[in-house]
Amino acid sequence: DGGITQSPKYLFRKEGQNVTLSCEQNLNHDAMYWYRQDPGQGLRLIYYSQIVNDFQKGDIAEGYSVSREKKESFPLTVTSAQKNPTAFYLCASSIGTGRDEQFFGPGTRLTVL
Amino acid sequence: GDSVTQMEGPVTLSEEAFLTINCTYTATGYPSLFWYVQYPGEGLQLLLKATKADDKGSNKGFEATYRKETTSFHLEKGSVQVSDSAVYFCALSDRGNQGGKLIFGQGTELSVKP
Repeated sequence: DGGITQSPKYLFRKEGQNVTLSCEQNLNHDAMYWYRQDPGQGLRLIYYSQIVNDFQKGDIAEGYSVSREKKESFPLTVTSAQKNPTAFYLCASSIGTGRDEQFFGPGTRLTVL
Repeated sequence: GDSVTQMEGPVTLSEEAFLTINCTYTATGYPSLFWYVQYPGEGLQLLLKATKADDKGSNKGFEATYRKETTSFHLEKGSVQVSDSAVYFCALSDRGNQGGKLIFGQGTELSVKP
């Protein structure tokens, strides 16, 4: 089955630690995205990548970093510089970067202790 | 910039009631419009989409029509079921806007009672 996987489902971080969230897709999609969801709010774009070895900042990139070394993988690192990292993180992919629909993974819930 | 506004929730309905969730948008270009659904603790699933004016998206009994004149994309279903209880997000995507990112409304929680 084609789809997007994210791991882990739950992640706990101590203050001052960096953590990396995994996102893998086997849909052969070129574009991948990371969104952040806070309670009662819509999703906000953190980073996106239109092609391997290239990525761009979204609306709330501060305190986050990404890499895109393989087409199927787009990991997100939440650094200690992110002031309020507790949130639900969603990875998505799409065929292109026009006006195509995006397909979402199941999400990772990050909690800072 | 582009934006999406949808009606606030929560919306509580009895089973078999008619559902409308209002969504309006602001965009400088010609966006595609989407409705996504999110069940508790899960990611988003695409419910339906429309890519140009007057298009009607439909899926699982849900419908929405792309109205350019009123900049709206209201979600409707004739008879809701308990299993439709979820959070519904209206979203748009505009070519050239940050890689086609989705711009979301704040979500509308729907609760259907038996």
